[in-house]
Amino acid sequence: SAVISQKPSRDICQRGTSLTIQCQVDSQVTMMFWYRQQPGQSLTLIATANQGSEATYESGFVIDKFPISRPNLTFSTLTVSNMSPEDSSIYLCSVSGTSGRPNSYEQYFGPGTRLTVT
Amino acid sequence: AQSVSQHNHHVILSEAASLELGCNYSYGGTVNLFWYVQYPGQHLQLLLKYFSGDPLVKGIKGFEAEFIKSKFSFNLRKPSVQWSDTAEYFCAVKNNAGNMLTFGGGTRLMVKP
Repeated sequence: SAVISQKPSRDICQRGTSLTIQCQVDSQVTMMFWYRQQPGQSLTLIATANQGSEATYESGFVIDKFPISRPNLTFSTLTVSNMSPEDSSIYLCSVSGTSGRPNSYEQYFGPGTRLTVT
Repeated sequence: AQSVSQHNHHVILSEAASLELGCNYSYGGTVNLFWYVQYPGQHLQLLLKYFSGDPLVKGIKGFEAEFIKSKFSFNLRKPSVQWSDTAEYFCAVKNNAGNMLTFGGGTRLMVKP
């Protein structure tokens, strides 16, 4: 498995501002993903973070609202731009394909970032 | 598009009761199936997984799940629950067309001591 950390763990932000969430993995991974878990709901995939190229976004999510970076095989950021109260959610980083099992489909999740937008 | 259904949103059991949480998915091709658990205040952890082979898979903490292809189901079971099993349980499916996991809506389990 992989040890995944996220910063910040939580934040309270004003509408109209942006927040960048960092995801750090303790080893190189093949795939990195960003999910959203809205209050009382299940997880929804926002995008797959691709190393060295643009992220692949799922339906309903766009790069202007959720720009993502992945400069290397252990780190990714997700920015929530021009926030509104509807963006209040837990944002989770997930990885698969750890060292030793680069083609594994098992996904491991970070602790999440709890975002509240006022 | 594939979807995952968990029919029980909330389950309340007494300790030592048996547990079965339903999970059904819609996808006709090859799938990988997962159950994740989220204990209060903690992050998601992988409970067990099915990729191929024996359709009865065993996971951590005495949990098991059975893949029934004809029913598109992957139900989670535990013969005797403990108070510490109180958590939210998520079923997830990955098809062979990509790396995306599709999650069910989750089932909140409360075990009364």
